[in-house]
Amino acid sequence: QSVLTQPPSASGTPGQRVTISCSGSSSNIGSNTVDWYQQLPGTAPKLLIYSNNQRPSGVPDRFSGSKSGTSASLAISGLQSEDEADYYCAAWDDSLNGHAVFGGGTKLTVL
Amino acid sequence: EVQLVQSGAEVKKPGESLKISCKGSGYTFTSYWIAWVRQMPGKGLEWMGIIYPGDSDTRHSPSFQGQVTISVDKSISTAYLQWSSLKASDTAMYYCARPLGDRYYYYAMDVWGQGTTVTVSS
Repeated sequence: QSVLTQPPSASGTPGQRVTISCSGSSSNIGSNTVDWYQQLPGTAPKLLIYSNNQRPSGVPDRFSGSKSGTSASLAISGLQSEDEADYYCAAWDDSLNGHAVFGGGTKLTVL
Repeated sequence: EVQLVQSGAEVKKPGESLKISCKGSGYTFTSYWIAWVRQMPGKGLEWMGIIYPGDSDTRHSPSFQGQVTISVDKSISTAYLQWSSLKASDTAMYYCARPLGDRYYYYAMDVWGQGTTVTVSS
């Protein structure tokens, strides 16, 4: 049981916009920033969004993040086949003394 | 190029000990924390703990406290994850990762190792 809650799956067709939600509590998302990671099959996770809505260099602007209260979301516009991957949200948790917590992950399928 | 390179896959028996490594290069190793993350087969990411190579300040996640030991040898820019007595439930992929930030504030992990597969089976 992960501390942050994500839907186990999401899907969309090429060109569509999809969103993935991440729900937490006052000790994690409610008081700290949220990061998102993309994990392509058989590879290490990759930082996709940090500090709620910042994109690292090289990440397309099709990916965007937002946060409100104790929830966050990742949006992917102009869906492409190469976006098919697992997506994880993460946040630091004040009740765990400097440790991070992850969501259970959302498997995105491009139909 | 900034990178973390992890040691190779391991196959061990229950009760055996193990130490896997994560070598940093392309940046000042002592100025960034190194975190360890577990991914069990077909499952999600789990935070295990973090260490600051500059002064070896170490923080184990409560879920992993007493189960593993995180250490570092800054002279060779290498962090370690160690078990004294493996269990079958330790079978997983283990990643090291480098958070952004500094000694007093760390956040998003922007550099990841390639992962080390650990298989524990009798």
